[in-house]
Amino acid sequence: EDQVTQSPEALRLQEGESSSLNCSYTVSGLRGLFWYRQDPGKGPEFLFTLYSAGEEKEKERLKATLTKKESFLHITAPKPEDSATYLCAVQGRGSSASKIIFGSGTRLSIRP
Amino acid sequence: GAGVSQSPRYKVTKRGQDVTLRCDPISSHATLYWYQQALGQGPEFLTYFNYEAQPDKSGLPSDRFSAERPEGSISTLTIQRTEQRDSAMYRCASSPRIEAHEQFFGPGTRLTVL
Repeated sequence: EDQVTQSPEALRLQEGESSSLNCSYTVSGLRGLFWYRQDPGKGPEFLFTLYSAGEEKEKERLKATLTKKESFLHITAPKPEDSATYLCAVQGRGSSASKIIFGSGTRLSIRP
Repeated sequence: GAGVSQSPRYKVTKRGQDVTLRCDPISSHATLYWYQQALGQGPEFLTYFNYEAQPDKSGLPSDRFSAERPEGSISTLTIQRTEQRDSAMYRCASSPRIEAHEQFFGPGTRLTVL
């Protein structure tokens, strides 16, 4: 069964303090791995899709990387406005190829 | 439209009543997903549509839950004989196509069953 585990559950950083969020996954043939950002009271907002091991994508202070078992979301010199919950999700090629399975998210808080 | 919209934004109902939630996706999008999201958790898959077809409804918790998308655009999620455990945020998302493409989420409907 497809599964996504995110760690840590919560992370508090000082402004400018770089760190990484982890997403470990188990899937029957990866079709895509997604990162979303969710602000309180709002729906998730798309950040990246990664398709194969070794792939990397960047957007402003965020960089997502992918291996065969996990993905990392690296945050470089974060600012308070980067505070949000970051969700990882996978879509596989198995019998339920339509499903997108989300992790529980990492709540990131950046102190000024 | 400019984005995915959902209505109502908030719904309070009494146990045993039926409720219908509505999702209006981005007009050009083929696929539409329904999710249930508990506080502090990620969205949990309920069902999805590819145009008007509903290939997968394996995430619906029970036969009290049903969804429709009769003309391949607007979709409704109906919960019959609501129970307190149905209280949650219900989110809709649309996507141009099924294959590993980004989803655009609506603001959600907060359902409270008393």
